[in-house]
Amino acid sequence: EVQLVESGGGVVQPGGSLRLSCAAPGFNFNEYTMHWVRQVSGRGLEWVALITRDGAGTFYADAVSGRFTISRDISRNFLYLQMNDLRVEDTALYYCANETEKVFDSWGQGTPVTVSS
Amino acid sequence: DIVMTQSPATLSVSPGERATLSCRASQIINSNLAWYQQKPGRAPRLLIYGASTRATGIPTRFSGSGSETEFTLTISSLQSEDFAVYYCHQYNNWPRGNTFGQGTKLDVK
Repeated sequence: EVQLVESGGGVVQPGGSLRLSCAAPGFNFNEYTMHWVRQVSGRGLEWVALITRDGAGTFYADAVSGRFTISRDISRNFLYLQMNDLRVEDTALYYCANETEKVFDSWGQGTPVTVSS
Repeated sequence: DIVMTQSPATLSVSPGERATLSCRASQIINSNLAWYQQKPGRAPRLLIYGASTRATGIPTRFSGSGSETEFTLTISSLQSEDFAVYYCHQYNNWPRGNTFGQGTKLDVK
């Protein structure tokens, strides 16, 4: 079973930045397109961003485009989400997930992000 | 964006009985629909994709059906571990337009 472990969440003021990380011990990221998905208030799920297997392609939800950057370190099997210009509405639990057949196959446990003054 | 509407918001069913959860898309999404299960404090778990294909390791009591705009998740005989929140997810507009429903909470009657 794939295990994904997110980290890097925290409390930040509006306009601030955070970088989230996702590690997968024993799992080869190179085989999968990877995603970040967030969940607000324990219910609403929202796709955030994806990066292709080779890292050459990235896509973003409109709500984060221009502020967030997804990247991956193939040699270290790490996925990242650089979040700049954070807004109150970015407050959520952020999950990384691998993609199979355009769905989210395995998920990490999530890392919480709170944007508040 | 395609809006996914799940009903009911909460469904109360007794163990051993059948549960039927619904999901409606605001426009045709063909069979590009998945279902996820989420328990408190846990990440979502993929159950069904392609509207009716069970993911690896998912028990046969879980089944999905439907196409175009109307979809159903059926749990044939509820086990104690099945009480959770269930989300539908459309991926017809991939990737930037994929969206989730608001969830149906399945609890014990």
